[in-house]
Amino acid sequence: GQNIDQPTEMTATEGAIVQINCTYQTSGFNGLFWYQQHAGEAPTFLSYNVLDGLEEKGRFSSFLSRSKGYSYLLLKELQMKDSASYLCAVRDRNDYKLSFGAGTTVTVRA
Amino acid sequence: DGGITQSPKYLFRKEGQNVTLSCEQNLNHDAMYWYRQDPGQGLRLIYYSQIVNDFQKGDIAEGYSVSREKKESFPLTVTSAQKNPTAFYLCASSDRRSNYGYTFGSGTRLTVV
Repeated sequence: GQNIDQPTEMTATEGAIVQINCTYQTSGFNGLFWYQQHAGEAPTFLSYNVLDGLEEKGRFSSFLSRSKGYSYLLLKELQMKDSASYLCAVRDRNDYKLSFGAGTTVTVRA
Repeated sequence: DGGITQSPKYLFRKEGQNVTLSCEQNLNHDAMYWYRQDPGQGLRLIYYSQIVNDFQKGDIAEGYSVSREKKESFPLTVTSAQKNPTAFYLCASSDRRSNYGYTFGSGTRLTVV
């Protein structure tokens, strides 16, 4: 199984930057996903990392270090609509289903 | 457009009744999943299926049942044996073309009254 840890809550100001960390322990790593979930809605895909390094997509970037079992999601130029829960999910090498962290609730304040 | 559809969006059930949640996808995905989400908690896996006529229990399968008679459909039955069924239920599907990243349905909020 997986052990995936991420902070419960984070608060930031509109226009600022927030970094959400995710650490994981797995017997065999085969990819890490970040999802965004607004309250009462389904999660939507943000990013996928399988190799070490930074993946950039507009205001959102995701970083992976496989040797450290560590990833972060970076949200830049925060907007009020970015207030949501952010889920880190890991796929094991010998499996196709994902294991999810408990999610980080980000609150953006004016 | 391809997608995954859950119905109904809201469902009320009396204690002691079974209820079935629908999940249909037209993405031609092989794998399908059911998760439960409680307030302030992460996603917990109920059941999953990789191929038709085959499925496996997840971490919290007790009180639930599923079937996979067609590739497109993966209905979940919440039975009266489920002690605390009030929750938000999410169905998802995945495929190797997306590195097995999930596409989620819009969810069903089940309330036991």
